[in-house]
Amino acid sequence: GQQLNQSPQSMFIQEGEDVSMNCTSSSIFNTWLWYKQDPGEGPVLLIALYKAGELTSNGRLTAQFGITRKDSFLNISASIPSDVGIYFCAAHNTDKLIFGTGTRLQVFP
Amino acid sequence: DAGITQSPRHKVTETGTPVTLRCHQTENHRYMYWYRQDPGHGLRLIHYSYGVKDTDKGEVSDGYSVSRSKTEDFLLTLESATSSQTSVYFCAISESQGAGGYTFGSGTRLTVV
Repeated sequence: GQQLNQSPQSMFIQEGEDVSMNCTSSSIFNTWLWYKQDPGEGPVLLIALYKAGELTSNGRLTAQFGITRKDSFLNISASIPSDVGIYFCAAHNTDKLIFGTGTRLQVFP
Repeated sequence: DAGITQSPRHKVTETGTPVTLRCHQTENHRYMYWYRQDPGHGLRLIHYSYGVKDTDKGEVSDGYSVSRSKTEDFLLTLESATSSQTSVYFCAISESQGAGGYTFGSGTRLTVV
């Protein structure tokens, strides 16, 4: 079946550093989304991308819909302690979302 | 915040007992989903519903059943719980088939001993 390969699996960074993570697939998708999951909570939608090449920002977060429609990228600038959590990519196929396995982010002061 | 609640939030049950988890929404969304989350596996779809009494299997449906008798409620039942079903279960809702994203509940942590 369709799979999303998300990397890295985990990141340990210092407060103030920038973060990059990505999601790739062998399949083409028309929508890419990025979610964040805080400890003990459900995932929350951060950014949705609907057009190949689209670059969208939400505060310190910037996400891009890859030009090939097979990948997407998320960048977090100037990380802060509350950025800690698991970040999931998701892509929309014909009738539901497929999720990546997540990137666990730890931020040290 | 979207109106989606899961109950219970935590449950410990014994192997072999039936367990039912409830998802309740106040958004009148047509689509509802049950996922389980396990370390190293991300979110895996168990079952989903595209309307009242209309449900279908996801990728890890064995050992689970669902029912949706009303738009607002989606029930997940473990007929005879096993230790491999210890997990965190999330319900999600969407207005369309996902292009606008899903809204997730806060999860139910189930431990089968």
